[in-house]
Amino acid sequence: DAGITQSPRYKITETGRQVTLMCHQTWSHSYMFWYRQDLGHGLRLIYYSAAADITDKGEVPDGYVVSRSKTENFPLTLESATRSQTSVYFCASSEQGRTYEQYFGPGTRLTVT
Amino acid sequence: RKEVEQDPGPFNVPEGATVAFNCTYSNSASQSFFWYRQDCRKEPKLLMSVYSSGNEDGRFTAQLNRASQYISLLIRDSKLSDSATYLCVVNMRHTGFQKLVFGTGTRLLVSP
Repeated sequence: DAGITQSPRYKITETGRQVTLMCHQTWSHSYMFWYRQDLGHGLRLIYYSAAADITDKGEVPDGYVVSRSKTENFPLTLESATRSQTSVYFCASSEQGRTYEQYFGPGTRLTVT
Repeated sequence: RKEVEQDPGPFNVPEGATVAFNCTYSNSASQSFFWYRQDCRKEPKLLMSVYSSGNEDGRFTAQLNRASQYISLLIRDSKLSDSATYLCVVNMRHTGFQKLVFGTGTRLLVSP
């Protein structure tokens, strides 16, 4: 029972490069979310998806792109990485109607140099 | 002003102690409330919901005061394994779904 997985777990990249963070869940949850966690800010919502092919912006979407062609996958792409995007990124999923109960992946630690 | 505010701590307590955390929220339209737990360098996990009538789960008690817009978490008989960061979370409607707004967390350290 894999649950929700993220890859890579750690990534170091250079400013200006494109980076894609992967998220995969095995529960067939309708909703999926991307958050970033930084000291002093708590978890902030980047993008979310209510179902395949339905995505919407969260609190801090600038510089990120998402897609959701399949229910189980929700990749997050940094089109041109900046140092301010150095963070820990968490993917989460939840059932429709229970979006208060989110199940988080283990996180990806991204460093942009 | 942050939507959800918590004392970052750390709260250092001995095993067996009782410890309480508070959290305040700014949006009176907030609909529901939760505590999540996050271990060091791990993902957050739902600990418990918070109801106006109070909610108890073993050694953990959560309470909500809507008039004063604060939420509390009480941990009795602290265990070493309770050492973690506790995130206060508020649920608000956001363009068709219930968005979670997370506090920055209160760190608890339980020592032998």
